[in-house]
Amino acid sequence: QQPVQSPQAVILREGEDAVINCSSSKALYSVHWYRQKHGEAPVFLMILLKGGEQKGHEKISASFNEKKQQSSLYLTASQLSYSGTYFCGTEGGDYKLSFGAGTTVTVRA
Amino acid sequence: SQTIHQWPATLVQPVGSPLSLECTVEGTSNPNLYWYRQAAGRGLQLLFYSVGIGQISSEVPQNLSASRPQDRQFILSSKKLLLSDSGFYLCAGNRGQAEAFFGQGTRLTVV
Repeated sequence: QQPVQSPQAVILREGEDAVINCSSSKALYSVHWYRQKHGEAPVFLMILLKGGEQKGHEKISASFNEKKQQSSLYLTASQLSYSGTYFCGTEGGDYKLSFGAGTTVTVRA
Repeated sequence: SQTIHQWPATLVQPVGSPLSLECTVEGTSNPNLYWYRQAAGRGLQLLFYSVGIGQISSEVPQNLSASRPQDRQFILSSKKLLLSDSGFYLCAGNRGQAEAFFGQGTRLTVV
């Protein structure tokens, strides 16, 4: 019941864009996105709720398609600080928050 | 705001020894609490979650157990550690379906 993320890894040059996808086999109430730097705890980026709007944070935004049980995270004009592992977390109304395997993003100068 | 306190940061334990990791929450009441394990370079595996005192849901059959003796306290335990229990253990909490906050994690090495 873990969500499935793709791609597993992506390498970008500064200024390039990327999309990370997250899909679930069960109906979702919310989708959470986090970024983890090596050796540290994950840091919250944004949450998308069923019936809510697309969220944005600076040049990182996300969408949530409830019918398809999918979410996408958009990294726009990437910066070196965007490097890290991105996790999507899904919750289906039962408070059980499960995470995908993560997508490693490497941004190079 | 909500803060998750987790300790110790690093732990080295011999095979067969017991384990007790404690997580406490500050800044909110009646949180949902979670224990995750992360193997090196891998994803976050949900081990246990709790929606209230004494209510524990186990996600993966394993050598570990969890307890929630107080509203803002979540404990991860093992009677006898295995080598495969090594990993980075993270406690997290949230209210309802809101964003989750993570503790700083415990890096456990079983030798």
